Amino acid sequence: ETGVTQTPRHLVMGMTNKKSLKCEQHLGHNAMYWYKQSAKKPLELMFVYNFKEQTENNSVPSRFSPECPNSSHLFLHLHTLQPEDSALYLCASSQELYRARTDTQYFGPGTRLTVL
Amino acid sequence: AQSVTQLDSHVSVSEGTPVLLRCNYSSSYSPSLFWYVQHPNKGLQLLLKYTSAATLVKGINGFEAEFKKSETSFHLTKPSAHMSDAAEYFCVVSPFRSGTYKYIFGTGTRLKVLA
Repeated sequence: ETGVTQTPRHLVMGMTNKKSLKCEQHLGHNAMYWYKQSAKKPLELMFVYNFKEQTENNSVPSRFSPECPNSSHLFLHLHTLQPEDSALYLCASSQELYRARTDTQYFGPGTRLTVL
Repeated sequence: AQSVTQLDSHVSVSEGTPVLLRCNYSSSYSPSLFWYVQHPNKGLQLLLKYTSAATLVKGINGFEAEFKKSETSFHLTKPSAHMSDAAEYFCVVSPFRSGTYKYIFGTGTRLKVLA
């Protein structure tokens, strides 16, 4: 999977830790997304960036802090998480944000996060 | 508001038999529809998409789906299941109007293929 990469693939952290998830896309896309995938729930859109500018914060708690230094990289900074934040965090990218009707979102493999 | 419903959370088929994964949507406009597949410990991969062209859409790995407006359905089919098809499948509805961008995901159907 060379299109969208995510690191680390697995992360275990305590509630007082601070960690970061990294996403990188090699597709020349301009829009990037963070999703949360929990068991038995639909994918939840967390954040959206378009040309490095945040366009969406889907009522995500402040213990999740995104950063998009350029169109190719996206980070999710984590601090003082709760056990219910354990999930698979997926990054995606697409060519143009407002062409979602026809554009395809390309997903990374995800980071499996466990909060103890 | 738009929504998507995957009618089965789990489907089991024998190898070599047909696959049918059901998806219904609701919309006031003509939607674009996608099927994604997620293998264990992997991200989502696009199987196929419908964007108002031909109603029968062919995708990768022998999958296809037919858009039926009268039934508001977009069911995914494959004539003959392979062991490697075991995965979770997501039906997705894209925004109906320009200027919006959120995908609406179904809750997924887990396909099990029996030897």
